[in-house]
Amino acid sequence: AQKITQTQPGMFVQEKEAVTLDCTYDTSDQSYGLFWYKQPSSGEMIFLIYQGSYDEQNATEGRYSLNFQKARKSANLVISASQLGDSAMYFCAISPDKLIFGTGTRLQVFP
Amino acid sequence: EAGVAQSPRYKIIEKRQSVAFWCNPISGHATLYWYQQILGQGPKLLIQFQNNGVVDDSQLPKDRFSAERLKGVDSTLKIQPAKLEDSAVYLCASSLVWGQGWEQYFGPGTRLTVT
Repeated sequence: AQKITQTQPGMFVQEKEAVTLDCTYDTSDQSYGLFWYKQPSSGEMIFLIYQGSYDEQNATEGRYSLNFQKARKSANLVISASQLGDSAMYFCAISPDKLIFGTGTRLQVFP
Repeated sequence: EAGVAQSPRYKIIEKRQSVAFWCNPISGHATLYWYQQILGQGPKLLIQFQNNGVVDDSQLPKDRFSAERLKGVDSTLKIQPAKLEDSAVYLCASSLVWGQGWEQYFGPGTRLTVT
């Protein structure tokens, strides 16, 4: 069985600062994918970034990067230069074949 | 490119009533998913379709929930009869193909309140 753990229920960050959202996972599969999604108050889940378990380099997408440490089974999301529009819920998910989500972290960016 | 469409956006019903949700995935996407998101939790997969066939419905409460995807395009999810614990947001998602690395695109969701 797969499991995602997000231990930070809420995080605050000042605009233009960087922030790291933690995610640890548990799986017995050798091949899997790790995803981060953003959910604004409007409710829609927005894909941010993907990391495959065999990818040797950390994934990056614009201001988002995924700090993948396979031995520690962690897949932290780093947002550089935070913006007010980054305020939202952030979900980490694992997929050997279907997405299994964590409980999320609420990020609030203040001016 | 149009995104995943869902309707209605909000629904309030009394317990023991029935309700149906509709989803139209992104054109050309073979795989369609229905998720249930209870307040304070991450989405939980209810059912996954590949074209018009069911791939995974292991977490669908089949005594009250049903879903279909006729013609392999749009889909409906039905609850009959509803219980208080069914209050949640129901998210539909689609992906081009079914597989580990393929991004899922989500619709805006339907917020169901059962009173």
